[in-house]
Amino acid sequence: TQLLEQSPQFLSIQEGENLTVYCNSSSVFSSLQWYRQEPGEGPVLLVTVVTGGEVKKLKRLTFQFGDARKDSSLHITAAQPGDTGLYLCAALWGYQKVTFGIGTKLQVIP
Amino acid sequence: EAGVAQSPRYKIIEKRQSVAFWCNPISGHATLYWYQQILGQGPKLLIQFQNNGVVDDSQLPKDRFSAERLKGVDSTLKIQPAKLEDSAVYLCASADREKLFFGSGTQLSVL
Repeated sequence: TQLLEQSPQFLSIQEGENLTVYCNSSSVFSSLQWYRQEPGEGPVLLVTVVTGGEVKKLKRLTFQFGDARKDSSLHITAAQPGDTGLYLCAALWGYQKVTFGIGTKLQVIP
Repeated sequence: EAGVAQSPRYKIIEKRQSVAFWCNPISGHATLYWYQQILGQGPKLLIQFQNNGVVDDSQLPKDRFSAERLKGVDSTLKIQPAKLEDSAVYLCASADREKLFFGSGTQLSVL
């Protein structure tokens, strides 16, 4: 089983601030995903990163995969209340095996 | 496109009772997952199916949990007997290649 560590586990910020969430492991992954989960719903896939050093942008969200493919970060610029939720990183390994981190619970205060 | 359907949404039972959850994946998705998500944690894989065969059930507590996927479509997850620590959200997901689609989950409370 691949072990993923996420930090911070909780984050409460004011609307308009920037933030970064980290996902780390001692293992190398074939690819890594980020999901967002809202209360009472299942996680929704935001992005998949595959290549070491890859950077992907989704509106105000920027995702980066580490050069060694062991870590990733999610940066949100000018956070909005709609960004509130649980952000989960997930490692892909083996045949469609997906292991999740503990998650970062983000609250954006208007 | 219809999403992953799960039922029931909520279930409250007493310890030592049995309970079953149902999942209907997105049409054409061969891979189906059951995850357990305890409050404040990320989802933990219980079992992974490829069509109607089991790919990974290494973290399924087989003394009390069972799952099946008849005809490679719908799936059921059963707990018998339930324990207090089984209180969690049970999520079903189906996959199109490496893209997972989740249902809304079943929130189980064991009293």
